Amino acid sequence: SYVLTQPPSVSVAPGQTARITCGGNNIGSKSVHWYQQKPGQAPVVVVYDDSDRPSGIPERFSGSNSGNTATLTISRVEAGDEADYYCQVWDSSSDLRLFGGGTKLTVL
Amino acid sequence: HLQLQESGPGLVKPSETLSLTCTVSGGSISSSSYYWGWVRQPPGRGLEWIGSIYYSGSTYYNPSLKSRLTISVDTSKNQFSLKLSSVTAADTAVYYCARHSYYDSDAPFDPWGQGTLVTVSS
Repeated sequence: SYVLTQPPSVSVAPGQTARITCGGNNIGSKSVHWYQQKPGQAPVVVVYDDSDRPSGIPERFSGSNSGNTATLTISRVEAGDEADYYCQVWDSSSDLRLFGGGTKLTVL
Repeated sequence: HLQLQESGPGLVKPSETLSLTCTVSGGSISSSSYYWGWVRQPPGRGLEWIGSIYYSGSTYYNPSLKSRLTISVDTSKNQFSLKLSSVTAADTAVYYCARHSYYDSDAPFDPWGQGTLVTVSS
């Protein structure tokens, strides 16, 4: 079955750029969504369809997807960006909605 | 704006059936454009899609749970429900309800309910 692989953790200093990856076989052929989840809260979409942002999400959040890796990029990281981030795709071959294991972003 | 709210017992005994309801407000569950789904998250772990239902009652489930799972819809109450039978401690999780597109299989889950913790323990 299709597997999405994320690094367990990423650390970055305030003001720097954080990059969170999501690996999968030929993931570039799929639409990738990214969710931000803060402690005790439900996930919220921050990027959908690889690189689109919902209204209300800062332009600092961007996404890309090519080959076997999708990437969520957070520019000018702020303390409030500290959260868990999950990638998600729909796997057409199994008709399953799949999530990556999640990445904890720590702002140093 | 659309809101989803989960409700149900927070404690279920092993081997019994877990039952949850998601109430939709600010919009109609009978919209032809959306599926209504369940996602769970064990404590300290990642997200797992459980299954989804269309207002007509058409369902599709995660095969890993299919043998124990029933999702139903009550359009008169603007609610949909989850029943998971023969639960074990491995079913302890925060359960979320969420909406996703019917016509675009690639669409994300949005919005989500706040989630409800269900603990399986005697």
